[in-house]
Amino acid sequence: AQSVAQPEDQVNVAEGNPLTVKCTYSVSGNPYLFWYVQYPNRGLQFLLKYITGDNLVKGSYGFEAEFNKSQTSFHLKKPSALVSDSALYFCAVRLLDSNYQLIWGAGTKLIIKP
Amino acid sequence: GAGVSQSPSNKVTEKGKDVELRCDPISGHTALYWYRQSLGQGLEFLIYFQGNSAPDKSGLPSDRFSAERTGGSVSTLTIQRTQQEDSAVYLCASSPVGGAWVETQYFGPGTRLLVL
Repeated sequence: AQSVAQPEDQVNVAEGNPLTVKCTYSVSGNPYLFWYVQYPNRGLQFLLKYITGDNLVKGSYGFEAEFNKSQTSFHLKKPSALVSDSALYFCAVRLLDSNYQLIWGAGTKLIIKP
Repeated sequence: GAGVSQSPSNKVTEKGKDVELRCDPISGHTALYWYRQSLGQGLEFLIYFQGNSAPDKSGLPSDRFSAERTGGSVSTLTIQRTQQEDSAVYLCASSPVGGAWVETQYFGPGTRLLVL
């Protein structure tokens, strides 16, 4: 079965430090991977996606993610965290036999402390 | 505004009552999606509209759930005879064309439903 896992319910990082939010997937074939962010009382916002090509994908707000096929991972990263990055982050993968349906991780709460 | 809007933002209802949730997608977006987000869970796909038709209703959890879309724009998700397990945040999203895996989905703020 195709799935997405976000192994950490919560990640705590000090402001200015690098951050990583982990995502692993299980799909057959080539995966199409996404990261979305949900700020408090606001809708989900698209951050970035990997379709093909360069394994390092750059997205909004200074975030980037690295696709690692051998480790079946798509971790979200940022070199220097801001307090305003505190939010709920979701990883998603496109369902193989669908051209629109995404399978979503459970989300990781990111807390950036000043 | 230019974004996806949903109403109401919050809804408290009694078990057994019917509720209607509304979604206004971004103008011109052909595809519309409904998801359910429960506490501590990822998003659960409910239904997908391409224009006014719903080629995929596979995610609807029971026959108490139904959805329609009129004029290729506004969509309504109806839950009949609500149960406590229906309590969740219901999210709507739209995308320009649909049926294209590279498309970004644009989400509304959600409707928080609480069934007492």
